[in-house]
Amino acid sequence: DIEMTQSPDSLAVSLGERATINCKSSQSLLCSSNNRYFLAWYQQKPGQPPKLLIYWASVRESGVPDRFTGGGSGTDFTLTISSLQAEDVAVYYCHQYCSTPWTFGQGTKVEIK
Amino acid sequence: QVQLQESGPGLVKPSQTLSLTCSVSGGSISSGSYHWTWIRQPAGKGLEYIGRIYNRGSTNYNPSLNSRVTISLDASKNQFSLKLNSVTAADTAVYFCARAGNLMDVWGQGITVTVSS
Repeated sequence: DIEMTQSPDSLAVSLGERATINCKSSQSLLCSSNNRYFLAWYQQKPGQPPKLLIYWASVRESGVPDRFTGGGSGTDFTLTISSLQAEDVAVYYCHQYCSTPWTFGQGTKVEIK
Repeated sequence: QVQLQESGPGLVKPSQTLSLTCSVSGGSISSGSYHWTWIRQPAGKGLEYIGRIYNRGSTNYNPSLNSRVTISLDASKNQFSLKLNSVTAADTAVYFCARAGNLMDVWGQGITVTVSS
């Protein structure tokens, strides 16, 4: 299984400031000849299902605000929220869909400082 | 747009079989190249992949659950189902169904299943 490790486990950021979440995979997520990383980011608010934010490591899902940016390569990836808004308070998960069983990071809780 | 809704018992006794159904609306479960997926999340914890079924019938299960899981699809009802047998308290979780092309993009709201006598 590909292990996904996120850091930090929790993060408190002031409104309007930058929040950065890291995700490290135990194997490269460049998994096919399409030259794309099989890495996604989800946002989950209490009582709700996860919401897809980013896929192919850096492609923003339709309707996702452009303050959310995904980056990275190989085994190291980041999700950056450029200017934290109150509605961004949530748990964020990275997810590899390179190989089964699909796996997720343990989650990073983002709060307002 | 496609919507998914989980249904089934919220309480299952230990050693029995957990059975859930995911109803798909707004599109045909048979169209496109999608995997119909089950994910679970124990309270306050992370997400665990259970398994998926391709709309042409092939399945893939998490090896950690493989011997206890069956996912099936009923195209006539536009539904797919999860059966998890020999449940224990460790199977208590919110169970989500989801549609996946390369990855999961549409999710149900989730259903809480408690394993307790």
